[in-house]
Amino acid sequence: GAGVSQSPRYKVAKRGQDVALRCDPISGHVSLFWYQQALGQGPEFLTYFQNEAQLDKSGLPSDRFFAERPEGSVSTLKIQRTQQEDSAVYLCASSFTNTEAFFGQGTRLTVV
Amino acid sequence: KNQVEQSPQSLIILEGKNCTLQCNYTVSPFSNLRWYKQDTGRGPVSLTIMTFSENTKSNGRYTATLDADTKQSSLHITASQLSDSASYICVVSVKTSYDKVIFGPGTSLSVIP
Repeated sequence: GAGVSQSPRYKVAKRGQDVALRCDPISGHVSLFWYQQALGQGPEFLTYFQNEAQLDKSGLPSDRFFAERPEGSVSTLKIQRTQQEDSAVYLCASSFTNTEAFFGQGTRLTVV
Repeated sequence: KNQVEQSPQSLIILEGKNCTLQCNYTVSPFSNLRWYKQDTGRGPVSLTIMTFSENTKSNGRYTATLDADTKQSSLHITASQLSDSASYICVVSVKTSYDKVIFGPGTSLSVIP
């Protein structure tokens, strides 16, 4: 595709449910980032992949959050036992190494 | 602590007027500074990017400035249009082995007729 694609666009989860958010980066982009954006706030860094290697996961808020990019392309952000404070927009971005990052439209997660 | 602050938090202006948004940062080591526009329900889109040696960069009606000594940047929008209504986010990159960025909280701009 022409841009970064994220799915689903919207997800409503019951508290305690596990969710999986998908990111399809721009073809050939080496770097992939996940961000969490609370309502009215700027995005906050979660994790970074260079190809399939997860080089920085310092932003993941708890061990309930897990991200993978097994083949260096599509990435999945998994949240286990969701809680209300997990409600946010989850943004994915991709880039060639150290160049401009392009963002997807995000997945809006609402935990009820 | 690496941090990016923006002001004002929100702004309402009349269509056709100019406005200036501010960004202050305490990020080290500094790599570059970008301004993004984020429409409601969309991902951020890059407007400008400036490195340490650049002090001004224009993109149409958007002009960004950077003072690396005082660690301040501004985004000036001229002849505002209704479509400029969005959140404007200042993003500063840390010079590491990869493009680690620190996002500001954004300024919410509303342009009214």
